[in-house]
Amino acid sequence: KQEVTQIPAALSVPEGENLVLNCSFTDSAIYNLQWFRQDPGKGLTSLLLIQSSQREQTSGRLNASLDKSSGRSTLYIAASQPGDSATYLCAVRLGSSNTGKLIFGQGTTLQVKP
Amino acid sequence: DADVTQTPRNRITKTGKRIMLECSQTKGHDRMYWYRQDPGLGLRLIYYSFDVKDINKGEISDGYSVSRQAQAKFSLSLESAIPNQTALYFCATSERAFPYGYTFGSGTRLTVV
Repeated sequence: KQEVTQIPAALSVPEGENLVLNCSFTDSAIYNLQWFRQDPGKGLTSLLLIQSSQREQTSGRLNASLDKSSGRSTLYIAASQPGDSATYLCAVRLGSSNTGKLIFGQGTTLQVKP
Repeated sequence: DADVTQTPRNRITKTGKRIMLECSQTKGHDRMYWYRQDPGLGLRLIYYSFDVKDINKGEISDGYSVSRQAQAKFSLSLESAIPNQTALYFCATSERAFPYGYTFGSGTRLTVV
């Protein structure tokens, strides 16, 4: 059974710091991995999607990497800003299933202090 | 307008009442999903649908039912609401083909008292 874990559960950093959020999964047979951002009381916004054949994806100050063999992904945020404060969720799409369902981690809640 | 719209945004209902949560999308995606989010448990799949005639149970479907009224509409019903169904509910759509990206709605916060 695929399990997705995100560590730490919460993180507080000063503005301007570079930071890394971690995501690990137990079954390497994934189709893709997606990072989402969730603001309090709001929905999920897709940040980056990495296909299983890819090593990384970049969007602005965000860079996501994927090491399928070790079951790990990282989300790197450069020059953090208070507006980056949110919960970040990673989710894997199973490669062996046709449901297309996502298995989510429990999220890392990030606070960036001015 | 949002690509995936959920109504209502917030709802408080009493135990035993029937309630319907609605979702509509303008993405043109065939695949639609209902997820539930609980603190500390992440998101879990309730039901999913690949088209109007194809509806499937997810991992936590007990106590829920769904209806796919059209390609763009997918509603979730709680037949007889109970307090442990208090949660944040998300509707999502997915592309049928590569890269299979997901789009989520803003969520419905449901409280059962």
